Amino acid sequence: GENVEQHPSTLSVQEGDSAVIKCTYSDSASNYFPWYKQELGKGSQLIIDIRSNVGEKKDQRIAVTLNKTAKHFSLHITETQPEDSAVYFCAAGLTGTASKLTFGTGTRLQVTL
Amino acid sequence: NAGVTQTPKFQVLKTGQSMTLQCAQDMNHNSMYWYRQDPGMGLRLIYYSASEGTTDKGEVPNGYNVSRLNKREFSLRLESAAPSQTSVYFCATRVHVPGGYTFGSGTRLTVV
Repeated sequence: GENVEQHPSTLSVQEGDSAVIKCTYSDSASNYFPWYKQELGKGSQLIIDIRSNVGEKKDQRIAVTLNKTAKHFSLHITETQPEDSAVYFCAAGLTGTASKLTFGTGTRLQVTL
Repeated sequence: NAGVTQTPKFQVLKTGQSMTLQCAQDMNHNSMYWYRQDPGMGLRLIYYSASEGTTDKGEVPNGYNVSRLNKREFSLRLESAAPSQTSVYFCATRVHVPGGYTFGSGTRLTVV
């Protein structure tokens, strides 16, 4: 089955700096890679996703890059703000099916003033 | 829109007690999932249901049972709770394309 590794487990950045979180996956068949943000006491919210037919996707301050050959993908947050502080999860799986997504172990991002 | 609703939000059980966690969705999604979240271990799949009337085991199904009552509802039952089942439980639904999950707000369960 799929195995997803995520690094780092914790990340502290100053407000305005960039943050990068990296994930690797094992199953070359996976074609869908979402990122979720979990704020304290809440369920995870989808913030961006990418399919394997593109290498990069941006949405305002958030971007995701995908390297299919190396089987890794990354989340980039620019101009970080205190409200970006949360736990971020990456995941991998197949789109177009009911099969499960496999999640990374999460990154706790702390944006300091 | 309510999205995915989980009840209860908090629960404390004694070892050996049973309980059912409820999940209901109003998104008309076919697939529903139960995950548990533990520190340092991310989200691990307990059971999922690809459609009404079908259920399948995930990676950590032992000690749990599920029931897909209809398209809207997917419940998780602990028949005899153990301290190892202390966790935060999340229900999710999935739209097949593009494939992202919508999560409920979670149930924090403590077994003493």
